[in-house]
Amino acid sequence: GEDVEQSLFLSVREGDSSVINCTYTDSSSTYLYWYKQEPGAGLQLLTYIFSNMDMKQDQRLTVLLNKKDKHLSLRIADTQTGDSAIYFCAEDPSGAGSYQLTFGKGTKLSVIP
Amino acid sequence: NAGVMQNPRHLVRRRGQEARLRCSPMKGHSHVYWYRQLPEEGLKFMVYLQKENIIDESGMPKERFSAEFPKEGPSILRIQQVVRGDSAAYFCASSPPGRERGEQYFGPGTRLTVT
Repeated sequence: GEDVEQSLFLSVREGDSSVINCTYTDSSSTYLYWYKQEPGAGLQLLTYIFSNMDMKQDQRLTVLLNKKDKHLSLRIADTQTGDSAIYFCAEDPSGAGSYQLTFGKGTKLSVIP
Repeated sequence: NAGVMQNPRHLVRRRGQEARLRCSPMKGHSHVYWYRQLPEEGLKFMVYLQKENIIDESGMPKERFSAEFPKEGPSILRIQQVVRGDSAAYFCASSPPGRERGEQYFGPGTRLTVT
């Protein structure tokens, strides 16, 4: 099975909050990442969290990490149409300094005006 | 500071031809990574290179695929005798030396279509 799992689709109304969830399997992961991919474009690093943290906030983005359950979530406050994209969760399974990121299949976020 | 550049953005090849994908990392970055994204899938790691060295090619198919990152010039991912299953988006990422985490900056990708 996949090392990193995400639900494939999420639809929200403009102005609402979006919550994208991810589960991972490697308990030694040191960093966990959220990337955004707009249609036809490459991946843009949105934010990351170190495994000894349980929350990180960055403007409209809030990352929550439950290390016991290996569950990661990305909350986008006041979702805008420009947030429509595919969001990938990724883990760094070999710890600090690793390079071989493992990605989920991505969650496609659709924002309804 | 220009981002990671990849060319071509779109590449069409017939079965049996060769595909060459180029990646210029961000200025000051000496680590390059190649990933492949099949339709409706996440990215899969292929290879990690530093200048003139392949560090890890564990994600790359043993046959027909090769990668290089010469002292001068871009990194090249080469696929010989392409087959339809090679159709995918190929992304390059780079990171600076001495980094402590896997913070990678991605290019826009090359979309390879094999007919």
